[in-house]
Amino acid sequence: QTVVTQEPSFSVSPGGTVTLTCGLSSGSVSTSYYPSWYQQTPGQAPRTLIYNTNTRSSGVPDRFSGSILGNKAALTITGAQTDDESDYYCVLYMGGGVWVFGGGTNLTVL
Amino acid sequence: EVQLLESGGGLVHPGGSLRLSCAASGFTLSNYAMSWVRQAPGKGLEWVSVISDSGSGTYYADSVKGRFSISRDNSKNTLYLQMNSLRAEDTAVYYCAKDSNYGVNSPISFWGQGTLVTVSS
Repeated sequence: QTVVTQEPSFSVSPGGTVTLTCGLSSGSVSTSYYPSWYQQTPGQAPRTLIYNTNTRSSGVPDRFSGSILGNKAALTITGAQTDDESDYYCVLYMGGGVWVFGGGTNLTVL
Repeated sequence: EVQLLESGGGLVHPGGSLRLSCAASGFTLSNYAMSWVRQAPGKGLEWVSVISDSGSGTYYADSVKGRFSISRDNSKNTLYLQMNSLRAEDTAVYYCAKDSNYGVNSPISFWGQGTLVTVSS
C-alpha cells in the first residue's frame, strides 16, 4: 500500500521561508494526484489552503503557495508568521475514488 | 456563506451503529462531490469516503469498506454516513467536507466543524 510521506516536524523563524513536502513511498507526485494542503490548529477543524497543486483557497494569503518540486508536492510559506504555527496535512488522489492523507507536519515558528 | 453542520455523533458500544448527518447551506449541494474525513484523538487526518455529486459513485477507505455507507439527499441538502459494526478504532472526530467540484477526484475545499464518535463499552 502506498504511503504519503511528510516531514514530521519543521521549524522556521518569523519572517522566514519554509517549504513542506508531500511525497510517495513509491513513485513521484504529479498534478494528476491533485495534491492539496490543509492547515489545522489544535482543537480546530482543518482549513483548506491549497488544492489542485496550486489553487489557493478563498481568503488564504498569497504567502502560501503550492507547487511540484522534483518528485514531490510542496507547500511554501513565505514570510512566516507566528499564526502559521500549526499542523499541515497534504492529501493525494490515488485513483479509483481513493484519497490518502499524509501523516502531517508540525510547524513551529520561533 | 458556505456552512456544513454535522450531527449524530455520540457514544456507542462496539458492534453498534450510528448515522451521521451533515446539513449543507450556502451552496448548491448537487453540484459538488462530498467527503467524510476522520481524526482519531491525537492522530492525523484519515480520509473515509467520498460520494459523487449525483450519488451514483461512492468510494471508501479499506478500513471502513463493508461497514460504512455514504449517501446524500440533494433535495434536503444533507450528506449522511451510516456506520455499522463499529469498533474502538473508529473513535474519532468525523468531519463532513465539501469537495471543490462534482467529481470524486476533486479535493476538499471546505470543512465542517466535526462531530465526535466514541466507540466504547
